[in-house]
Amino acid sequence: AQSVAQPEDQVNVAEGNPLTVKCTYSVSGNPYLFWYVQYPNRGLQFLLKYITGDNLVKGSYGFEAEFNKSQTSFHLKKPSALVSDSALYFCAVRGGLSGNTPLVFGKGTRLSVIA
Amino acid sequence: DVKVTQSSRYLVKRTGEKVFLECVQDMDHENMFWYRQDPGLGLRLIYFSYDVKMKEKGDIPEGYSVSREKKERFSLILESASTNQTSMYLCASSLGGALETQYFGPGTRLLVL
Repeated sequence: AQSVAQPEDQVNVAEGNPLTVKCTYSVSGNPYLFWYVQYPNRGLQFLLKYITGDNLVKGSYGFEAEFNKSQTSFHLKKPSALVSDSALYFCAVRGGLSGNTPLVFGKGTRLSVIA
Repeated sequence: DVKVTQSSRYLVKRTGEKVFLECVQDMDHENMFWYRQDPGLGLRLIYFSYDVKMKEKGDIPEGYSVSREKKERFSLILESASTNQTSMYLCASSLGGALETQYFGPGTRLLVL
């Protein structure tokens, strides 16, 4: 079975500081990993995904994520947080052996960037 | 750009009413999905569809049904709305294949009184 864990419900960071939002996963076969962001009363927006290749994936709005196979993690990072980054972030996974199936989502992490 | 639209942003219904939530995508995607989002529970999959007239149950299908008569349109039906179906409903679509990204609509916030 596929699963995703986001161990932190809430992350607080000061503006200008680096931020990390954590995600770990469990799948059969190679993982396909995704990050989405949700602003208040909006749908989910795609940020980035890891399929294969370079372990550091760059995405929208200056975000990047690092795939670590040995730790089964895919943490979202940004070198310098902005107040406008405050939102709800979701990690999602699909296993390579599961074929054309829906993404499995974590419960989300609320990021609060304080000026 | 992929565009997924949902028929209503906000909806208020009474207990026992039949409720239709409509979702339309304009990118010829094979797959379409309905999720509900509740605080602390994340996104939970209700139903999905890989093709016209096909449907598959997700994790929480009870109390819901779906219809996909055309490729671009996927409807979620609450047969008899109940207060525990008050939630944010999110529609998504994607191309077929394990590598593909799911794209989401803006969501419908449903309140059942």
